[in-house]
Amino acid sequence: GAVVSQHPSRVICKSGTSVKIECRSLDFQATTMFWYRQFPKKSLMLMATSNEGSKATYEQGVEKDKFLINHASLTLSTLTVTSAHPEDSSFYICSATSTLAGQETQYFGPGTRLLVL
Amino acid sequence: SQQGEEDPQALSIQEGENATMNCSYKTSINNLQWYRQNSGRGLVHLILIRSNEREKHSGRLRVTLDTSKKSSSLLITASRAADTASYFCATVRGTSYGKLTFGQGTILTVHP
Repeated sequence: GAVVSQHPSRVICKSGTSVKIECRSLDFQATTMFWYRQFPKKSLMLMATSNEGSKATYEQGVEKDKFLINHASLTLSTLTVTSAHPEDSSFYICSATSTLAGQETQYFGPGTRLLVL
Repeated sequence: SQQGEEDPQALSIQEGENATMNCSYKTSINNLQWYRQNSGRGLVHLILIRSNEREKHSGRLRVTLDTSKKSSSLLITASRAADTASYFCATVRGTSYGKLTFGQGTILTVHP
């Protein structure tokens, strides 16, 4: 089946630095990708919709200047956490929509664990 | 209000037993999906049930949907230790297939 990768899988950074997380669809093209955030033992919360070639759409309460999203190609979306703070520590998961065989299916990446010290 | 609330929050059973997890949602849906997440990993899609379906099977999984009660259940039969994971229901928001609202999840532990 389709594969979505994320890089890095884990990152530790100092407070105030920026961190970039990549989400790639490896064997299909995705005009739309989604970024979710998950706190320990909690559910996933949709942060934003990443649209290839246009601006991302952010969910209510998500700071667009804090979480920069770029979807420059049909296989890559990046999430940059700017000026990270300890409260940004979380598990970030992306997903991409595949329309293979005329059926829409959502594939999730393995997640990136961010720890801000 | 929270879409996709699940119960129980945690379920502990012995191998061979059946596990039932329930999910409730608040708005009308086109479909409801169940996902599995192993600890610290990404999500794996298990099964999708459309709003006009009442029951669906996939291997040891059985999903029911009651749109009048806005609820769904996931049954895993003859559970195995490898089924230990968190299980989430998710509903589609609006017309975008990928914009999912997830329930709080059920942590299932299957003891060998």
